[in-house]
Amino acid sequence: EAGVVQSPRYKIIEKKQPVAFWCNPISGHNTLYWYRQNLGQGPELLIRYENEEAVDDSQLPKDRFSAERLKGVDSTLKIQPAELGDSAVYLCASSLELETDTQYFGPGTRLTVL
Amino acid sequence: AQTVTQSQPEMSVQEAETVTLSCTYDTSESDYYLFWYKQPPSRQMILVIRQEAYKQQNATENRFSVNFQKAAKSFSLKISDSQLGDAAMYFCAYRRPLNSGNTPLVFGKGTRLSVIA
Repeated sequence: EAGVVQSPRYKIIEKKQPVAFWCNPISGHNTLYWYRQNLGQGPELLIRYENEEAVDDSQLPKDRFSAERLKGVDSTLKIQPAELGDSAVYLCASSLELETDTQYFGPGTRLTVL
Repeated sequence: AQTVTQSQPEMSVQEAETVTLSCTYDTSESDYYLFWYKQPPSRQMILVIRQEAYKQQNATENRFSVNFQKAAKSFSLKISDSQLGDAAMYFCAYRRPLNSGNTPLVFGKGTRLSVIA
């Protein structure tokens, strides 16, 4: 069974430029999460999708961040324009959202904003 | 809001020895889930072990076991017969029940474990 796939693995951009990250969850997983992990910290939730609906985006900086999950499968997280403080690892996770189910993580995208 | 505290930024253990990583959490919920995740340099978070709060028995997965003390809100991870491949960042995480509506994982800041050959 393939795991959560993310691309790119690394991205370096100049500040004020746009950037997008892509995530393909485990087949059949209806719930998808985007987390941000700053250096030396644990991941923090940005947004959670149940199928194609964003059910928790309270931590997403909506002035510059946007996300979509068309057709309830793949998801894209976008930052426009990027700021220096956006440098972090962006992790995608998916689960079946059954009571006992576990979130499975992708390898993440390391973003560096110069 | 729930918080998770890992008081040991770094730990080290000799190969084949046993090490315990500490985790405490704060919640007013009576039902919840606790996890230990391992993050090697490849960055992929890998589930190590999971504990349901309503279960009194401590979870065990091969060389990994937990000491879950619900009243003390403590959830430590014991790694027995440590191996070089166990070297990684370890994160303790908390999740509310699904019927609470908001169920992200809340992570601690992590403990970096080094294994000495």
